[in-house]
Amino acid sequence: EAGVAQSPRYKIIEKRQSVAFWCNPISGHATLYWYQQILGQGPKLLIQFQNNGVVDDSQLPKDRFSAERLKGVDSTLKIQPAKLEDSAVYLCASSLGGLWRETQYFGPGTRLLVL
Amino acid sequence: AQTVTQSQPEMSVQEAETVTLSCTYDTSESNYYLFWYKQPPSRQMILVIRQEAYKQQNATENRFSVNFQKAAKSFSLKISDSQLGDTAMYFCAFMYGTASKLTFGTGTRLQVTL
Repeated sequence: EAGVAQSPRYKIIEKRQSVAFWCNPISGHATLYWYQQILGQGPKLLIQFQNNGVVDDSQLPKDRFSAERLKGVDSTLKIQPAKLEDSAVYLCASSLGGLWRETQYFGPGTRLLVL
Repeated sequence: AQTVTQSQPEMSVQEAETVTLSCTYDTSESNYYLFWYKQPPSRQMILVIRQEAYKQQNATENRFSVNFQKAAKSFSLKISDSQLGDTAMYFCAFMYGTASKLTFGTGTRLQVTL
């Protein structure tokens, strides 16, 4: 079974530029999560999708971050414009049905450096 | 608000020895789940073990076991017969509610040495 795929693996941009990350969850998984992991900290949930609907985006900085999950499969996370403090690893995870006790499976992450 | 605290930023253990990683949490919820995730260097995070709060029996998975003390809000991970492949960041995480959001601690970096 293929795992959660993410691309790119690394990205370096200058502040005020825009960037987009892509995630393909495990086949058949209805729930998709984007986490931000700043160096030295644990991951923090940015947004959760159930199929193509948003379940929780309470910690997403909506003035600069946006995410979509068209057709309930792949997802993209965009930052526009980027700030220095956005430097982090962006992790995508998925789970089968979104029940609160289900295991979340993580992708390898995209490491973003904003200069 | 739910918080998860890992007070040991780094730990080291010799191969074949046993090590215990600490985790405490704060919540007013009565039913929740606790997890330990492993994040090897430059590799993806994987689930090590999980514990349901309503179960009194401590979870075990091969060489990994937990000591769950609900009253003390403590959830430690014991790794027996440590192997070089256990070298990784270990995150304690908490989940409750229908949104299934994971709240993570800051992690413990474990180094297994020869």
